This record gives sequence, structure tokens and C-alpha cells, in this order.
Amino acid sequence: AAGVIQSPRHLIKEKRETATLKCYPIPRHDTVYWYQQGPGQDPQFLISFYEKMQSDKGSIPDRFSAQQFSDYHSELNMSSLELGDSALYFCASSSGLGEYYEQYFGPGTRLTVT
Amino acid sequence: RKEVEQDPGPFNVPEGATVAFNCTYSNSASQSFFWYRQDCRKEPKLLMSVYSSGNEDGRFTAQLNRASQYISLLIRDSKLSDSATYLCVVGSDTGNQFYFGTGTSLTVIP
Repeated sequence: AAGVIQSPRHLIKEKRETATLKCYPIPRHDTVYWYQQGPGQDPQFLISFYEKMQSDKGSIPDRFSAQQFSDYHSELNMSSLELGDSALYFCASSSGLGEYYEQYFGPGTRLTVT
Repeated sequence: RKEVEQDPGPFNVPEGATVAFNCTYSNSASQSFFWYRQDCRKEPKLLMSVYSSGNEDGRFTAQLNRASQYISLLIRDSKLSDSATYLCVVGSDTGNQFYFGTGTSLTVIP
């Protein structure tokens, strides 16, 4: 079965650069979540979208922005990168918005900021 | 206080053993609960959704105790392949956010 696709899988950037992470949800999934997982940490919720509209916001820094497009894929834009932004960024998708909808995670993008 | 708390372990158990993990949550209005497993440097994979009082899937049993606000995961007849970090996830009462525990590390030893 098709899964969540994330690209790129690995990204190396320098401080103060920008990065764009992409997420392609499972077909017919209309809800996307972004998470940041630092080394030895649990995934921290950043932001979510439902039907191309932002549905909730977590601990996303102001330097980051995201959107969901008409084909339901989502992009996380990160500017003025800092060393502390180095982490694994997961995207998850679900077939609806709400607590009973199970989330399925993509393989993640490993971002290293040097 | 974190929304979801788990004993980080590590739990080291022999093959064939039964092991149980607990997870407590702070929001009594939460209605949805999940267990995910995460292998090193990989994405979390859904193991079980927990509705009403509990759920069973083969060797895995999840139970929910709303009065005490905890969820448990029981693994019977542990296999080497069960070695992973088990993440407890709780949905917010608004349904738009999901809170992760820090995970419980399990190593099954031959």
C-alpha cells in the first residue's frame, strides 16, 4: 500500500540558510501533521493542515512556515536555520481531522545544520 | 507537567517473556489513545489504537483506565523483533493535536 512520502530524506544546510521539506500524504488522506524529533526526544508537534487550511499550531518557530496545496501535499519552509534545528522532521497523514483518525508517518527528513 | 508520561526504561527481557508498559496522561477529556513503535532512526509505526477499555491484537494487548488516566501495553511471548521504542500517543480533547510520550525502550534478549 502507498505510504507517506517525504523528500528529501537527508538535507545538510548551513546556519542562516533556508530549507524546504516536502510531504506527500497517503492517497485520499486530507490531513497532514508535521513533527520535529530531536536526538533522544519524542516527536514534537509543529503544525497541521486539514483540507488545505491550517488546523492547529504547536511549537513551530516563527522562522518556519508551512502550507498544504490543492493536491494535499504539504511543504515546511524553514528560514534563518539555527544549529538547534538539526533534527528528524516527520510528516504524518490521516484520512480526516480529529482524534479518532490514525496517523501514518513518513520516513522523515533528517536535517543537519552546520 | 508533560501531557503524556512514560517510563523510559530500558526494559531488557528474555525471549518469551511477558512485559508491560504504562503511560499516564494529564487531560481527562482525551478520547483517543494509540501505541506506536519506533525503531532507531526510523518513523513511528502504528501498533494499536485504544478505544473504550482496551484492544487486543495477537500477542499485544492495550488497556485503558480512564479513572486513573493511564494506558498500558502488554506484550506476551516477546520476540527479538519486538525490540524497539514504544511511544504512547494521546489525542487532545479538541482532536487536532496529538501528544507523544518520550517512549519506552525495550530490548528482547536471546
